[in-house]
Amino acid sequence: GENVEQHPSTLSVQEGDSAVIKCTYSDSASNYFPWYKQELGKRPQLIIDIRSNVGEKKDQRIAVTLNKTAKHFSLHITETQPEDSAVYFCAASLAGTALIFGKGTTLSVSS
Amino acid sequence: SQTIHQWPATLVQPVGSPLSLECTVEGTSNPNLYWYRQAAGRGLQLLFYSVGIGQISSEVPQNLSASRPQDRQFILSSKKLLLSDSGFYLCAWSVGGRGELFFGEGSRLTVL
Repeated sequence: GENVEQHPSTLSVQEGDSAVIKCTYSDSASNYFPWYKQELGKRPQLIIDIRSNVGEKKDQRIAVTLNKTAKHFSLHITETQPEDSAVYFCAASLAGTALIFGKGTTLSVSS
Repeated sequence: SQTIHQWPATLVQPVGSPLSLECTVEGTSNPNLYWYRQAAGRGLQLLFYSVGIGQISSEVPQNLSASRPQDRQFILSSKKLLLSDSGFYLCAWSVGGRGELFFGEGSRLTVL
């Protein structure tokens, strides 16, 4: 089955800096790659996703890139703000099957 | 609009006691339903998923079980809890093959 590796496990940046989180997946058939943000004590919420027919997707300060050949995808957050502090999870799945998540990255943005 | 309800929000149970967590989805038909567990340092671990009534796939062999008695109802159970069952349990739903998951608010279980 699918296996998703995520790193780093923790990331500390200064406000205004960029943050990058990377994930690799094992099943070359996977075609859906979302990123979730989880604030302390709350449920994870989707922030951006990408499908295998696209190499990059942007939404304001957030972007995701996908390299299907290398089986890895990354989350990029620019101009970080204190409210970006949270745990971020990447995931992968084949359409119609369950999402398999990475172990999460705790992002801390200090002002 | 679609909503997902999960309860109870928190519970403290002794080792060896039973467990029942319930989840219901409103505003959609025939959703895919999931149970995930979040333990410290282990991310979101898939426990069970269901594509229809009575259809349950188990991803992790353990003392937990799941049932789907109705189209939009998903139940997580245990006959005898272990200390290692402590964690944050999240129910989620998706629309068929579209992929995006919508999570419930979670149930925090502490086994003492």
